Amino acid sequence: EAGVAQSPRYKIIEKRQSVAFWCNPISGHATLYWYQQILGQGPKLLIQFQNNGVVDDSQLPKDRFSAERLKGVDSTLKIQPAKLEDSAVYLCASSLRGYSYNEQFFGPGTRLTVL
Amino acid sequence: KNEVEQSPQNLTAQEGEFITINCSYSVGISALHWLQQHPGGGIVSLFMLSSGKKKHGRLIATINIQEKHSSLHITASHPRDSAVYICAAYSNTGNQFYFGTGTSLTVIP
Repeated sequence: EAGVAQSPRYKIIEKRQSVAFWCNPISGHATLYWYQQILGQGPKLLIQFQNNGVVDDSQLPKDRFSAERLKGVDSTLKIQPAKLEDSAVYLCASSLRGYSYNEQFFGPGTRLTVL
Repeated sequence: KNEVEQSPQNLTAQEGEFITINCSYSVGISALHWLQQHPGGGIVSLFMLSSGKKKHGRLIATINIQEKHSSLHITASHPRDSAVYICAAYSNTGNQFYFGTGTSLTVIP
């Protein structure tokens, strides 16, 4: 079974530039999560999708971050414009359904460095 | 105060030692996950449990719902166990995960 795919794996940009990350969840998984993990910290949920609808985006900095999941499959996360404090690993995860007894499967992450 | 606290933050062990990582949480949960994160960022789910104990190879996870505490044990530790271990509690209200900051484990040959 193919896992969660993410691209790119690494990205270096200058502050005020824009960047986009892509995630392809495991086939059939209805729920997709985007996390931000700053070095030395645990992952922080940015946004959760159930199919193509947003379940939780309470911690998404909406002035600069946006995410979409068209057709309920792939998802993109965009930062525009980037700030230095956005340097982090951005993790995508998926699960069969967004209920408690479903395991999350994580992608390899995208390491973003903002200079 | 974080909803999920892990201890220790850093742990160095000799190969073969028995290792315990602790997780305490303050929210009501439906389930608790133990995750393993290797250098480079990839995360693997080790266990998902809501009661009792689970075992997989040399790894054992236990949870005490009344005490809001979980432990991850590694028996006969090996250098390849070196990773960050993260505890994540799934809240039973709001369908939200609360993550600990992780325990960085280094096993020395």
